[in-house]
Amino acid sequence: KAGVTQTPRYLIKTRGQQVTLSCSPISGHRSVSWYQQTPGQGLQFLFEYFSETQRNKGNFPGRFSGRQFSNSRSEMNVSTLELGDSALYLCASSSDGQSYGYTFGSGTRLTVV
Amino acid sequence: QKEVEQNSGPLSVPEGAIASLNCTYSDRGSQSFFWYRQYSGKSPELIMFIYSNGDKEDGRFTAQLNKASQYVSLLIRDSQPSDSATYLCAVARGATNKLIFGTGTLLAVQP
Repeated sequence: KAGVTQTPRYLIKTRGQQVTLSCSPISGHRSVSWYQQTPGQGLQFLFEYFSETQRNKGNFPGRFSGRQFSNSRSEMNVSTLELGDSALYLCASSSDGQSYGYTFGSGTRLTVV
Repeated sequence: QKEVEQNSGPLSVPEGAIASLNCTYSDRGSQSFFWYRQYSGKSPELIMFIYSNGDKEDGRFTAQLNKASQYVSLLIRDSQPSDSATYLCAVARGATNKLIFGTGTLLAVQP
């Protein structure tokens, strides 16, 4: 059974640009959550999508957005990149809305220069 | 005050000893509690979850929850060098996938 797949693994962008990250959940999983991990702040919740609807949202500015498609694949977009957006972006999937813990992907390492 | 607090460590224990990792949380509405392990350069992996007060055992791991004290811990028996990693505590309010993570405790098991 394939795990959570995130692409790309590494990304270098220039300040002011925008970026789109992709996440394919485990087959059959309908919930996809996104996290930002930095050395200083640790793992911070961005948002969760369930059956194409955003169900939970963290405390990030509107530059951070996401969506989920009918096949449960999810994308996260960050516009007008700032240096502070450099981080590891992790996607996690679970089978439903119940909090039994989820499986993380390997992450996308974003560097903003 | 952070919502989930952990001692950053490093916590150093000899091989074969019991490692005790602790976590406190501030939201009394928290109902689900998780422990994740993260090796350097890797993504977090779920070790255990606990919902009820008391102990929950899974192999060498025991999670302990005390909601009155807003405290959750993870005990690792017979620690092995392969257990050396950062251990992340996470809590959720209700049956939700919005997890709030602590910053993690670095565990180093000395051979």
